[in-house]
Amino acid sequence: GAGVSQTPSNKVTEKGKYVELRCDPISGHTALYWYRQSLGQGPEFLIYFQGTGAADDSGLPNDRFFAVRPEGSVSTLKIQRTERGDSAVYLCASSLAGDTGELFFGEGSRLTVL
Amino acid sequence: DQQVKQNSPSLSVQEGRISILNCDYTNSMFDYFLWYKKYPAEGPTFLISISSIKDKNEDGRFTVFLNKSAKHLSLHIVPSQPGDSAVYFCAASENFGNEKLTFGTGTRLTIIP
Repeated sequence: GAGVSQTPSNKVTEKGKYVELRCDPISGHTALYWYRQSLGQGPEFLIYFQGTGAADDSGLPNDRFFAVRPEGSVSTLKIQRTERGDSAVYLCASSLAGDTGELFFGEGSRLTVL
Repeated sequence: DQQVKQNSPSLSVQEGRISILNCDYTNSMFDYFLWYKKYPAEGPTFLISISSIKDKNEDGRFTVFLNKSAKHLSLHIVPSQPGDSAVYFCAASENFGNEKLTFGTGTRLTIIP
């Protein structure tokens, strides 16, 4: 497909477990973002990659959250020791560098922590 | 501290009439503003944007107005169509080239046929 692909679309886990969420951006997009959307809220910035490096990770809520993009394409968001408050839709987006604001979002991964 | 505020969680408009969605912001460093549209079970899609050097930007049925002194922007949709029913998010960034967006909480627009 030509769009941003996120897997899994739904993930239910138990408190304390480890979770990985994957994002496959649009081919050729050098910038990749992770946002989190909780119920009734707008998307909240987590981290931004330019190529392989995290250009801005100021939105990560704590050290249980980590993201990688080892080859400058696919990214994985990793959440350790999940808590019920981590339940949200995790949105990935990509863009061409310098193409401000027009982020192309995936459909999101809905995480439910029981 | 909500830096981008959409105070109307929902809005219903008759088909063919004008829809006006409002957004206020508090961070004076914001100088680029965007509207995104979101259908259920889909990611947000970019709709229209405006730079702080302008007070209006138009794209077809969609027009965004910016009042920088009031820290207020609005999205006008005219005429409204049933396919416009969605959640609309206002977003802002601190400078052109900074893709870290701050989003509002969204307004659910329902167009009544």
